[in-house]
Amino acid sequence: DSGVTQTPKHLITATGQRVTLRCSPRSGDLSVYWYQQSLDQGLQFLIQYYNGEERAKGNILERFSAQQFPDLHSELNLSSLELGDSALYFCASSPRHSNTEAFFGQGTRLTVV
Amino acid sequence: DQQVKQNSPSLSVQEGRISILNCDYTNSMFDYFLWYKKYPAEGPTFLISISSIKDKNEDGRFTVFLNKSAKHLSLHIVPSQPGDSAVYFCAARQNDKIIFGKGTRLHILP
Repeated sequence: DSGVTQTPKHLITATGQRVTLRCSPRSGDLSVYWYQQSLDQGLQFLIQYYNGEERAKGNILERFSAQQFPDLHSELNLSSLELGDSALYFCASSPRHSNTEAFFGQGTRLTVV
Repeated sequence: DQQVKQNSPSLSVQEGRISILNCDYTNSMFDYFLWYKKYPAEGPTFLISISSIKDKNEDGRFTVFLNKSAKHLSLHIVPSQPGDSAVYFCAARQNDKIIFGKGTRLHILP
């Protein structure tokens, strides 16, 4: 158990809908990262937050947004969903914004039908 | 444009032998390189890392080698064990981004 909790574990929704994925980092970790893993793809970096502030941005679509709340949990919002958004979404946390290591949650599997 | 490349999607190795997983990168600004291991239905777990100023780091059965001139790193597992069967991701860090490769699935054969 990495200490990072992601909910829900599975999500099935229709195209055009909006979903919110939630991540609770390890106790004391200030950084939260979001990654997307599509079929046959590696882990694509989406976005990083550090202590409530956006720290780094990767290949995140404009239809996607994220935030980190004062209690340090984070949410990833995906809107106007398309079939191609079906993927595993991982959250990771680390204690410092530039730590070499990140601890991953078990992921949320999103299926868009 | 893939900055971190793992060109072998899968690798099969006999139990007890050496497993060598390879990774190439294009960005010379990466300052740390990491290897993660992933079992099905679980998130990736950190295995070992190496700073860009070193050329070797060893932790038990796992050794990572870095060749900066070739922009290449490799993970050696000796001896390979059945529990090592998993997907291995190579990752590289630049500032606060950690960029992952597509992974290599390692099968340890009995």
